[in-house]
Formats: sequence, structure tokens, C-alpha cells
Amino acid sequence: DQQVKQNSPSLSVQEGRISILNCDYTNSMFDYFLWYKKYPAEGPTFLISISSIKDKNEDGRFTVFLNKSAKHLSLHIVPSQPGDSAVYFCAASVYNQGGKLIFGQGTELSVKP
Amino acid sequence: DVKVTQSSRYLVKRTGEKVFLECVQDMDHENMFWYRQDPGLGLRLIYFSYDVKMKEKGDIPEGYSVSREKKERFSLILESASTNQTSMYLCASSFFSPLHFGNGTRLTVT
Repeated sequence: DQQVKQNSPSLSVQEGRISILNCDYTNSMFDYFLWYKKYPAEGPTFLISISSIKDKNEDGRFTVFLNKSAKHLSLHIVPSQPGDSAVYFCAASVYNQGGKLIFGQGTELSVKP
Repeated sequence: DVKVTQSSRYLVKRTGEKVFLECVQDMDHENMFWYRQDPGLGLRLIYFSYDVKMKEKGDIPEGYSVSREKKERFSLILESASTNQTSMYLCASSFFSPLHFGNGTRLTVT
């Protein structure tokens, strides 16, 4: 039972355009959501997070949107850069469970010059 | 800056061997985690620990055990390695959130 789903295994975007990565979840107890970025042969690195009391959080070129009624979140990258090419993982947790995260399958983003 | 160090980047082991994967963190974090990453499946939680000598099963604990004798060190043990345990293993630590990951150990079981 996949509680966090990323239904697009890959996404290709032109440099300078917007990248939109999507994530759906099924567990209504989740109240904290994160995005991680992973390059080959490296561990995932934290990118941005959002708690369920918000519907948007921005950090530079990265914005995460949360739609609780649809159990859906998305990551927007504007403008996309070739260095953004990586695998992006969506993750969810229950806030008081000490950081235990449930991850999606990942979306491989390719930003072409 | 948090540093999570996994002792090996690459390991090749034979079926039936006992395998130890070691992880050390330098930030005095209470919480430590072991995940495995497989294509199309994302990261799946094997075991985690909220304190020394304490462990909790994650979503896929079968065939694995863990040891946490010191706060900074969390070991993953494959009691009898099998080919379906060929994977990328990722250790992480946290005080609360987010998790900080090591660079992973690519384990191949032949």
C-alpha cells in the first residue's frame, strides 16, 4: 500500500521554463511534507517543506503547494536550470513521530539547455 | 553542518554471508534511520531508532536487524544476504525533521 505516490517517473523541461512535480498521498494523518533532491551516487538532500497549516511555501526558485482536500502537493521550480536535473522525492510524515518519513517513488527531472 | 557517514560506498557480498553496514552521525541526533532505495519503489524504511539500544521496525524489516549501542552509531545487519537485498542503502539522522542522509552504500549480493 503506497501511501505517497509520484505517478510521473520522469519529466523533461527546457532551461528557463517551469518544472512542476506532483505528489499524492492517501493517509489523512500526514501533516508535514517535504521534498528531497537526489543526484546519482549521493544521498538525498532536503529541499523544502510545508506543514498542513499552510498551502504554500517558497524558498527562492522553489515553491511547494499543498491541497489538503485533494491530498495533493506539488513542487514548482522557476526558472529551471540544468543543475536541477536530479531525482526528486516527495515525503510525508506525522509531525510528532520524530522525523520518520514515508517517501514516494521519485520523479527524474531532466532540464535541457 | 550535519555529517552522516556510511562506512562503505560499494560492497559485493555472496549469498548467505552476514553483512554489516555501518553509519555514524556527528550531530548528537536522537533519531537514526535505515532506508533502501530501489528503482520505481522510492525509499523504503527498514528500521529506525529513537534512542540508544532502542529500535523500531519500519515497513520492510524482514531479513534485517539493527544495532544501536552508541548514540552516534547505527548498524544495519543482513543476517544471511540474499540476491533480493541487492540495493542502495541509505542511513539518515535527525533531531526532529528534516532527515539528513549519508551518501549511501551500494550493496550487490551475488
